[in-house]
Amino acid sequence: DAGVIQSPRHEVTEMGQEVTLRCKPISGHDYLFWYRQTMMRGLELLIYFNNNVPIDDSGMPEDRFSAKMPNASFSTLKIQPSEPRDSAVYFCASSRHLSGANVLTFGAGSRLTVL
Amino acid sequence: AQRVTQPEKLLSVFKGAPVELKCNYSYSGSPELFWYVQYSRQRLQLLLRHISRESIKGFTADLNKGETSFHLKKPFAQEEDSAMYYCALRYNQGGKLIFGQGTELSVKP
Repeated sequence: DAGVIQSPRHEVTEMGQEVTLRCKPISGHDYLFWYRQTMMRGLELLIYFNNNVPIDDSGMPEDRFSAKMPNASFSTLKIQPSEPRDSAVYFCASSRHLSGANVLTFGAGSRLTVL
Repeated sequence: AQRVTQPEKLLSVFKGAPVELKCNYSYSGSPELFWYVQYSRQRLQLLLRHISRESIKGFTADLNKGETSFHLKKPFAQEEDSAMYYCALRYNQGGKLIFGQGTELSVKP
């Protein structure tokens, strides 16, 4: 398995533009998470899905952020309109279950810079 | 509210010195605690978890419920240990994983 795949790896955009980040979880994993990493706040959980259904989106900063999971092998995180303070590394992670020996497997991250 | 605190943003030690990365948590139930590590230009990956009581790459961590701590320790640091370390808490069976702010460990030759 290629692991969790994220794209793009790097994105530089201008304030006000729409940004779409993509994630392909590991096949067979039924949980998918989106995290944001910044120097100031560390790793923050934005949202997570179970069997394609959003379970907890309390970490989503504001209405400019939205996430979808149309099927078991694909999820998107969209920011519209983007702002400079959204600059961060966005990680996607997946897991088979949320208990016992199962742990999160992370993607390589998408580094977003909003000018 | 559930919270994970790593008080040190940066910890710098010399090779061969002991290392302790601090982690405190706030949770009233029975937590599951983890340490994740991110080496330069690599993905975030699990280092160890408290339920396994294991030692990975010379690192150990003991859950102290009285002090609500899960500090990561290694008796003799190596240069290759330089990385970003995150403490994480999973609360409620099947609950989500929340992370601390991370501590950057720098081991100097």
